[in-house]
Amino acid sequence: AQTVTQSQPEMSVQEAETVTLSCTYDTSESDYYLFWYKQPPSRQMILVIRQEAYKQQNATENRFSVNFQKAAKSFSLKISDSQLGDAAMYFCAYRRQVAQKLVFGQGTRLTINP
Amino acid sequence: GAGVSQSPSNKVTEKGKDVELRCDPISGHTALYWYRQSLGQGLEFLIYFQGNSAPDKSGLPSDRFSAERTGGSVSTLTIQRTQQEDSAVYLCASSPGAGSPLHFGNGTRLTVT
Repeated sequence: AQTVTQSQPEMSVQEAETVTLSCTYDTSESDYYLFWYKQPPSRQMILVIRQEAYKQQNATENRFSVNFQKAAKSFSLKISDSQLGDAAMYFCAYRRQVAQKLVFGQGTRLTINP
Repeated sequence: GAGVSQSPSNKVTEKGKDVELRCDPISGHTALYWYRQSLGQGLEFLIYFQGNSAPDKSGLPSDRFSAERTGGSVSTLTIQRTQQEDSAVYLCASSPGAGSPLHFGNGTRLTVT
């Protein structure tokens, strides 16, 4: 079974600084999708960024970028110029290409210090 | 446009009672998912619908849990004879199809006393 591991239960960063959240996963598949979701106190899960495994180029969305290392099965999220509104739980997730369900990591709570 | 809607937002019930949680997906989304999130934990997959059928119900924790979807739209998650360990946030998500991201609702917080 596929597993997703987030080894940092909590992280904190100064406003305007850069922070990197770690994620590793275990799979025998070659084609799959990886996601980062953000969950603020409102509970709603918000998609931050998505990466297809067949793409070598790292995905970027404004201040958010990933470092996708397929051989190492690593998928870290970098947040640049951190803002107070970035404070939330961040979840890494995996999905096989032919399956539908997402498998989530345990999450990392990110605190932004003003 | 309208997002995924879940009701109720919060539900408090006594141990042993049955509860029904409702999910209205985004219009046109064929795939619908239920997840459970216990306090401070990650998301645990429960069941996935494609249209009205459930090709993957592997995450339902016991036969007290069931779900249905009608008209390819609204879904109901039913928990019979609730136990205290059922207390959690139940999240619903929908997706337009394979490879597309999931869109989540705000969840139902269930508390079993």
